[in-house]
Amino acid sequence: QVQLQESGPGLVKPSETLSLTCTVSGGSISKYYGSWIRQPPGKGLEWIGYIFYSGSTNYNPSLKSRVTISVDTSKNQFSLTLSSVTAADTAVYYCARDAGYGDPFDYWGQGILVTVSS
Amino acid sequence: DIQLTQSPSFLSASVGDRVTITCRASQGISSYLAWYQQKPGKAPKLLIYAASTLQSGVPSRFSGSGSGTEFALTISSLQPEDFATYYCQQLNHYPRTFGQGTKVEIK
Repeated sequence: QVQLQESGPGLVKPSETLSLTCTVSGGSISKYYGSWIRQPPGKGLEWIGYIFYSGSTNYNPSLKSRVTISVDTSKNQFSLTLSSVTAADTAVYYCARDAGYGDPFDYWGQGILVTVSS
Repeated sequence: DIQLTQSPSFLSASVGDRVTITCRASQGISSYLAWYQQKPGKAPKLLIYAASTLQSGVPSRFSGSGSGTEFALTISSLQPEDFATYYCQQLNHYPRTFGQGTKVEIK
């Protein structure tokens, strides 16, 4: 059974960089896309971007200037960095997997709440 | 970006009711639409993809329909465990976008 697990700090100071890692177990990330999605408290879902196992990426234009997603296939992990964070970046951050164009997110991590506050 | 508008945003229903949630896309997306169920404190769970294909393990009381710009999720007989928030998502264009959600509560 494929499982995804987010990890990283739950509190980040304004103007600093948010860094999270998603570890995939029960299956290889090869041939799959890993995405990050976030959900501010009480609000809807926002797709942040994806990385293919080969390293190609695609980011939401609304966040593109601040986002980097990377992959480490040897560790079966992919990571998110979001720079210059503000309170508006406070959210539950999810990682999820899909098989590519036209495919849904079939496996999700449990989510990690990241609060931006001094 | 493709905008997805769900209606209603809030729905109050009883166990056993037939419930339909609609999702309208701002431009045609063929059948590239998925539906997810989210319960409080949990990650979304995939219910339906390709507009009408039931994900493995999802009860058959859930069904999806539509293509182009108009889609629907129907629950034929609402069960206690179905009270949750439902989201549609388009899979045709990047950035991937979601509807604003429909919260289904107990009447």
